[in-house]
This record gives sequence, C-alpha cells and structure tokens, in this order.
Amino acid sequence: DGGITQSPKYLFRKEGQNVTLSCEQNLNHDAMYWYRQDPGQGLRLIYYSQIVNDFQKGDIAEGYSVSREKKESFPLTVTSAQKNPTAFYLCASSIEQGTGNTIYFGEGSWLTVV
Amino acid sequence: GQNIDQPTEMTATEGAIVQINCTYQTSGFNGLFWYQQHAGEAPTFLSYNVLDGLEEKGRFSSFLSRSKGYSYLLLKELQMKDSASYLCAVITGGSYIPTFGRGTSLIVHP
Repeated sequence: DGGITQSPKYLFRKEGQNVTLSCEQNLNHDAMYWYRQDPGQGLRLIYYSQIVNDFQKGDIAEGYSVSREKKESFPLTVTSAQKNPTAFYLCASSIEQGTGNTIYFGEGSWLTVV
Repeated sequence: GQNIDQPTEMTATEGAIVQINCTYQTSGFNGLFWYQQHAGEAPTFLSYNVLDGLEEKGRFSSFLSRSKGYSYLLLKELQMKDSASYLCAVITGGSYIPTFGRGTSLIVHP
C-alpha cells in the first residue's frame, strides 16, 4: 500500500542530545514537509522540500535540520539547540507544491525530552 | 501576516448537524483545505475549496466565500466517531504551502 511511514512512533531525548525522525514515502511525491504540533495548537511548518537536494526553512526552523538526498526520504534532526522539542511531529507529502495538491500525512512521531 | 481563526471547541448531539466556521486574513489566497484529526493520529483530508460555493461530499460539506474570507464545514447526521479536531488550512500566495488554523475540537455526545 502507498503511504507515508514515520519512525519511531515514540522517542525520548535526553538534554543535549540530537535525535533523528525518519520519514519515508512511496507515493512518488515530489514535495515533502515537516510540521510540529503542540497541544491545543495548529500545525506549524518546520521545513519543506520541493525536490531532491533542495529544502527551505519554514516558520520555526531554528534548532532543526533536514536532508533530501532521495525522493522517498526526508529525515528531520532535532538538535540540542531546540530548547523545547517535546511535541508531536508530522511528516507530509504532496505530488508537488502547488494549489489544490492535497497534502497527505504520516502517522506522526511523539518526541519527549527526559 | 497570516491569521486563521476557528472556534476552539464545539459540542453537539449524535444525529444532529454542526457547522464549524473558519475565517482568514491572508496575503493572497489559493484555496482552503479542511482536515479531520483524531487525538494522537495524523490529519486526514476532508475537502478542498478554491471557488465560492458549497462542495458536498456525503455527510460532510464545505463552503467558501472568498470575498468574506470565510469558510465552514458542515457535518450532518453526526456520529460518535466524528468526535475529533477539525483543521482549516489556507493556501496563501507565493509559497503555495497551507497555513493551518489551531483547529476546532468537536465533541459528539449521545
């Protein structure tokens, strides 16, 4: 079945530690996105990528990094510079970035700082 | 800047009809999405509007008025499983990336 797979579902990070969230899609979509969701909040855009080897900062990119070496993969690293990383992280993709192109989401990853 | 407003929470009775409103003030407009999100799960696509008017899809309908910067999602024949958060997202000019509102938590009770 086609879809977006995020792993791990639950992740615990110690202070000062970098962690990487995996996102893989087999939908043959060009555009991929990372959003962060805090309780009672909407989705906020961290990074997005329109095509392989290209990505752009979203609204809250500080403390995060990404790579897009393959069309199918868009991993997100939460660095130690991100002071408040506890949140629900959602990876998404669309055929291409543009009007009317539905964004499909993965199942999400919960990150907790311990 | 972008501003998208939705009510924080709504309650309704099973079998009833509920309307969830979304107002927006954005730089440019290229369409509006509605998503449903159950707690701890991924948002799922419900509807997309780019032209004024009503789009009907089964129990769910979505309406758009671009001149008023207003949309609503109408849910008919409410079921308990409709208890979820409903997210309004606007595609603004330029980047063509949706900007999401904070979502409306709908509670359906018997």
